[in-house]
Amino acid sequence: QSALTQPASVSGSPGQSITISCTGTSSDVGGYNYVSWYQQHPGKAPKLMIYDVSNRPSGVSNRFSGSKSGNTASLTISGLQAEDEADYYCSSYTLSSTLVVFGGGTKLTVL
Amino acid sequence: EVQLVESGGGLVQPGGSLRLSCAASGFTFNMYNMNWVRQAPGKGLEWVSYISSSGSTIYYADSVKGRFTISRDSARNSLYLQMNSLRAEDTAVYYCARAVVATIGGFDYWGQGSLVTVSS
Repeated sequence: QSALTQPASVSGSPGQSITISCTGTSSDVGGYNYVSWYQQHPGKAPKLMIYDVSNRPSGVSNRFSGSKSGNTASLTISGLQAEDEADYYCSSYTLSSTLVVFGGGTKLTVL
Repeated sequence: EVQLVESGGGLVQPGGSLRLSCAASGFTFNMYNMNWVRQAPGKGLEWVSYISSSGSTIYYADSVKGRFTISRDSARNSLYLQMNSLRAEDTAVYYCARAVVATIGGFDYWGQGSLVTVSS
């Protein structure tokens, strides 16, 4: 069982917006602004899409945005495109002896 | 261009040992904190270990604590993961990942991964 909870799957049509949630506790997501989001296509290494809740690395499309409210962080993808179909993982710094925890991942299907 | 290239994976029997290496290039290695992250077949990502840029601060996931050792060699621009007492549940693709500067948990560059299979 993952430390952070994500929906197993979400879907949307091209051009639509979708949001993926990532729920933790006050010891991780809720307590620190160190939430990151990764995109992973099959057989490929993960790619950083968002760090520190809402910061986009250079080269990442502004269609991707991150936010946080309480113990839940969210990744929003606007203007869905076929190439956005992938697995998405959230992660957070945690106060526990483990430094970083990941969510279980969400499979995004573009219909 | 930033590159991280893992090597050293393979098939090992339960209880055995393996040492993974990650060769870094395209950036000033000794300025960045580094991590190992693994992914079991068909499963999600699991953070394994962290080492600070100086090597003075190290963390491990509870699942590998006491069995795995992370280290780095700035002269060789390399990151290592010594894995002992391997178990079937350690079977995974192991990625080395560079941490974003001045934050915790954001990994901005990843290697292609090295497959470790623990089986008799």
